[in-house]
Amino acid sequence: DGGITQSPKYLFRKEGQNVTLSCEQNLNHDAMYWYRQDPGQGLRLIYYSQIVNDFQKGDIAEGYSVSREKKESFPLTVTSAQKNPTAFYLCASNLGQANQPQHFGDGTRLSIL
Amino acid sequence: QKEVEQNSGPLSVPEGAIASLNCTYSDRGSQSFFWYRQYSGKSPELIMFIYSNGDKEDGRFTAQLNKASQYVSLLIRDSQPSDSATYLCAVKAGSGGGADGLTFGKGTHLIIQP
Repeated sequence: DGGITQSPKYLFRKEGQNVTLSCEQNLNHDAMYWYRQDPGQGLRLIYYSQIVNDFQKGDIAEGYSVSREKKESFPLTVTSAQKNPTAFYLCASNLGQANQPQHFGDGTRLSIL
Repeated sequence: QKEVEQNSGPLSVPEGAIASLNCTYSDRGSQSFFWYRQYSGKSPELIMFIYSNGDKEDGRFTAQLNKASQYVSLLIRDSQPSDSATYLCAVKAGSGGGADGLTFGKGTHLIIQP
């Protein structure tokens, strides 16, 4: 089935540790996105990528890094510089054309040990 | 700073009635508008999207857009208990490329009372 797969579903980070969240899509979408959601809040854009080997910072990129080496994959690394990483992380994708809706994966819930 | 505002609720509606969810946005150049439904602990699911002024209907859902008033709404007819969820309004800015990210409101918590 076509879709967006995020893994793991739950992730725990120790102090000073970098962790990487996986996002893979088989929808042949050009654009991919990472959002963060805190309890009772809307989604906030971390990074997005329109094409392979290119990505742009969103509203809250500090403490995060991404790569886009393949069209299907857009992993997000939460670095130790992100002091408040506990959140629900959502990956989305779309065709990247104007007015195209974004579709979301099931999310990864990150907590601090 | 682009902003999207929604009443957080909870909005309580009797089963079978019409639920009306509202959203205002600050960026006058915004070009496309999306409504997502999010059940507790789950990821957002696209319900409707609208680009042009007026109404767009899909089954029990109607999206309404008024760009002059910078206002977008979602009507849910014949509300069912399964419609109980948080509804997120999302807006895409008019500037920038086609792949720009969305700006989300904080969501309205809707409760359909049996």
